Amino acid sequence: EIVLTQSPGTLSLSPGERATLSCRASQSVTGSYLAWYQQKPGQAPRLLIYGASSRATGIPDRFSGGGSGTDFTLTISRLEPEDFAVFYCQQYGSSPRTFGQGTKVEIK
Amino acid sequence: EVQLLESGGGLVQPGGSLRLSCAASGFTFTTYVMNWVRQAPGKGLEWVSAITTTGDGTYYADSVKGRFTISRDNSKNTLYLQMNSLRDEDTALYYCAKGGSDSWSGYYGDYWGPGTLVTVSS
Repeated sequence: EIVLTQSPGTLSLSPGERATLSCRASQSVTGSYLAWYQQKPGQAPRLLIYGASSRATGIPDRFSGGGSGTDFTLTISRLEPEDFAVFYCQQYGSSPRTFGQGTKVEIK
Repeated sequence: EVQLLESGGGLVQPGGSLRLSCAASGFTFTTYVMNWVRQAPGKGLEWVSAITTTGDGTYYADSVKGRFTISRDNSKNTLYLQMNSLRDEDTALYYCAKGGSDSWSGYYGDYWGPGTLVTVSS
């Protein structure tokens, strides 16, 4: 099973700042099949990025994903007030598909 | 518009069974893999199970293997999760998530339902 470790656990930033979230895999992720999700309280997760770097439908271009192998990042270029939430990475290249433990991006 | 609506959750005693359903609409159900993902209260996301477009391939997390069974009825556009031998640690909000494609590269969730709550308690 591939274990995903997200860091940091919490990121305290102000609107307009840049956010960089990390997701490290315990072994190489097949095909860079890595996704990022955003979840706000009381809501279902929303897909942001798939295939490590492809933005999902309707996702603003301030969200970008990168990386390969075992190291992946999600970058939010300039935080908007609606971006503060918990973010999860997921690898889907091998079964069992696994999620990271999440990074909370909070308003500083 | 893609819509997914889970049902079948509720309160069940340890050792009991439940069957969850996920009614899908707004897309061609037969051409997408499907997933179940759960979230325990105040915790992170946990992938539970996935199924191929035809139902001939199924995948499970180690935590539910041998107890849960995923299936789909393509004539009814419905996904199922049969849950047996339920444990306290199965208490969670269970989400149905549409896959991104019909192949191995599609086992992420591009659309999610609102979830159905399963509570296992005596």
